[in-house]
Amino acid sequence: DAGVIQSPRHEVTEMGQEVTLRCKPISGHDYLFWYRQTMMRGLELLIYFNNNVPIDDSGMPEDRFSAKMPNASFSTLKIQPSEPRDSAVYFCASRYTGEDEQYFGPGTRLTVT
Amino acid sequence: RKEVEQDPGPFNVPEGATVAFNCTYSNSASQSFFWYRQDCRKEPKLLMSVYSSGNEDGRFTAQLNRASQYISLLIRDSKLSDSATYLCVPEGTGGSYIPTFGRGTSLIVHP
Repeated sequence: DAGVIQSPRHEVTEMGQEVTLRCKPISGHDYLFWYRQTMMRGLELLIYFNNNVPIDDSGMPEDRFSAKMPNASFSTLKIQPSEPRDSAVYFCASRYTGEDEQYFGPGTRLTVT
Repeated sequence: RKEVEQDPGPFNVPEGATVAFNCTYSNSASQSFFWYRQDCRKEPKLLMSVYSSGNEDGRFTAQLNRASQYISLLIRDSKLSDSATYLCVPEGTGGSYIPTFGRGTSLIVHP
């Protein structure tokens, strides 16, 4: 298995632009998580899905952030409009019910100027 | 009080040393506990689960003290390749899989 796939790996955009991050979980995994990591705040859980349904989005910073999972093999995290404080590494992770490990993707390094 | 507290370090140790990291968590309902390892500019990866009875995996030993809400990780005979950030992760209340990641402890092993 190729593992969790994220794209793009790097994104540089200007303030006010829309940013879309993409994730393909490991086949067969029924949980998908979106995280954000910064030096100041560490690794924060933004939202997670179970069987494509959003379960808890309490970590989403504000209405500028939205996430979807239209099917079991694809999820997006969208920021509109983006702001410099959104600069961070965004990780997607997936997991199978009953197993301990979450498998993380390589992350998307977002810079908003 | 933060949900998960870890000493950020860095811990600078020579090869062959024994080093221990501690972690405290605030949610007494946490059901599962893990240590993840994150290399510089890489994604976190599971290092080991932490069981109530304590568990060992080669040079690594993890302990859990539920009464004190405290988790530890001991690394014996440190290798250069152990240099990384170690994240403490209590998880789950009521059957959920919600993990809470600590900020991590940085370890640097030098020759």
